[in-house]
Order: sequence, then C-alpha cells, then structure tokens
Amino acid sequence: NAGVTQTPKFQVLKTGQSMTLQCAQDMNHEYMSWYRQDPGMGLRLIHYSVGAGITDQGEVPNGYNVSRSTTEDFPLRLLSAAPSQTSVYFCASSLGPDRPGELFFGEGSRLTVL
Amino acid sequence: AQTVTQSQPEMSVQEAETVTLSCTYDTSESNYYLFWYKQPPSRQMILVIRQEAYKQQNATENRFSVNFQKAAKSFSLKISDSQLGDTAMYFCAFMKLFTGANNLFFGTGTRLTVIP
Repeated sequence: NAGVTQTPKFQVLKTGQSMTLQCAQDMNHEYMSWYRQDPGMGLRLIHYSVGAGITDQGEVPNGYNVSRSTTEDFPLRLLSAAPSQTSVYFCASSLGPDRPGELFFGEGSRLTVL
Repeated sequence: AQTVTQSQPEMSVQEAETVTLSCTYDTSESNYYLFWYKQPPSRQMILVIRQEAYKQQNATENRFSVNFQKAAKSFSLKISDSQLGDTAMYFCAFMKLFTGANNLFFGTGTRLTVIP
C-alpha cells in the first residue's frame, strides 16, 4: 500500500532556483494539503485542495504555488527559492467530512536553500 | 485565530511506565476537534487519537487516552504501559468544526523518549 508518496526526499537548491515537490496518493482522497515543519514551530499549512481543480491558501502561502489537475496528484511549486524556505515539507491527504481531521501524511521532503 | 501550545519540548519515561503530555489551546470556537498525532523517527506522521469538543467523555484508544478539560482549554495525552515504539515526536492539533477542509493547527511538539 503506497498511501501518500512524496518526491524527492531530499533537495538542495540555490537561492532563486525553482523546483516542484511532487505528491501523489492512491487512496482516492478528495482532500490534499501541504504543510511545512520548522524547528520550534510545529507544522504550518501552506496550501490545500478539496478536490480536482480547487485549491486555496493556508497560513503561509507566499512563495509557493499549487495546482490540482487530478484527484491523485498535488504538486507544490517553489517559484524562486529563498533561504527562508529551508524546511521539511509534508503532503497529506484525507477523506474529508467522513473522517474529520484524519490526515494521512507522506514521509516528507527535506529542502535546503543555500 | 487558534493557537496550540505544548510547553514540554522533551520528555522521557521508563518502559512500562505511564507518561502524560500536556497541551493547551486558545480559540473562540465552541465546537471543534482536538487531536494527537505521532511522528516516529521515520517521520511519517500518524493519528493517535481524536476528541470532539461536544463530547464530554474522554477519548481512548488502547493504551492512549486523553484528559479533555474544555473550560480550561486543556487536552493532555496519557500513554500507559509505555513501549519502545512509543518513542516519537507528539503533536497536539486543533481543527474547527468541519468547515469544508481538513485543516489543522499544530502545536510545536513534544519529543518523547521511552527508556528501556
């Protein structure tokens, strides 16, 4: 059972470069989201989607872009990487109202911006 | 805005003993959900337990139970008969009563180490 798959697991970027973090889930979940985890700050919501073609901003959306063209995939794009975006990124999916707050997480992607 | 506070950055417990992790939160909502999530060293986070604020009964899942004090806005997690596999980062989280998206507010986490 794959669940939520994130790639890459590790990435080093230079300031100003762009990249895409991939996220795919095989559980037919409608809801997907991206969080970042920073030391001493817990997880913060970047963007989320409640279905294909629908996305919205979370708590810390600046510098990131998302799209949801299929139910399975929810990529996160860094438009012009900055050192402040050094973090561990987690993608999550969920069933939605049937199981409130029950998120299934990927293993995370550690991004370092130099 | 919602805030979730975990005041214990690190804790340790002897194997087979009981440990309680603390969490407080602040909200103006009257109905909401509270959660404890576990993040083992492998980093994949999993849901441990969920509490609905409109339920007075404390949630229990096997060795995991909560003490939910709504008036005090307190939500602690008790782990009984601690096992080595309980070693992990534990996050307390808050969610408004379902508003069309499963968006959670997380605390900063408590790192728990179970000592053999």
